[in-house]
Amino acid sequence: DAGVIQSPRHEVTEMGQEVTLRCKPISGHNSLFWYRQTMMRGLELLIYFNNNVPIDDSGMPEDRFSAKMPNASFSTLKIQPSEPRDSAVYFCASKGPNRASGANVLTFGAGSRLTVL
Amino acid sequence: AQSVTQLGSHVSVSEGALVLLRCNYSSSVPPYLFWYVQYPNQGLQLLLKYTTGATLVKGINGFEAEFKKSETSFHLTKPSAHMSDAAEYFCAASTGNQFYFGTGTSLTVIP
Repeated sequence: DAGVIQSPRHEVTEMGQEVTLRCKPISGHNSLFWYRQTMMRGLELLIYFNNNVPIDDSGMPEDRFSAKMPNASFSTLKIQPSEPRDSAVYFCASKGPNRASGANVLTFGAGSRLTVL
Repeated sequence: AQSVTQLGSHVSVSEGALVLLRCNYSSSVPPYLFWYVQYPNQGLQLLLKYTTGATLVKGINGFEAEFKKSETSFHLTKPSAHMSDAAEYFCAASTGNQFYFGTGTSLTVIP
């Protein structure tokens, strides 16, 4: 298995631009999580999906952030417009269904490092 | 709500010395417990997990952790530190789809 795949690995953009981060979860996993990591705030859960449905988006900072999961193999996190304070590493993680092999374990992607100038 | 506390944001050990990273969780119901490791510019990688059964759990790279319900602890240990163990370590607890991460402990290994 290729694991959780995120793109782009690095993104540098200017304030006000739209940013789209992409994630492909592990095949067969039915839960997908978006996290943000910064030095100041550590690892923060932004949103998670179960069976493609957003379950908890209470961690989404504000309306500039949106996430979608149109199907079981793809999710996006969009920031529009981006601001310098959005600079962080964004991680996607997926988890298999309960009672399945590997259930209850989050598998992380390598992350997307975003820099907003 | 669940919470996870990692004592010590920075730990330094000499190469070959014992590694001990502390983690406590708060819950009346023992959750599933995990340790993850993060190397620079990489994602979090699972070191080991406790779900049910044996309370001493062995993981990759010679690490192990012991679940102690009476102390609500899940400390991570390794008998002999190696230079390659230098990384950030995260303790986590989960109940269902809720995952709670500690703030991380940065491990430095001194040659």
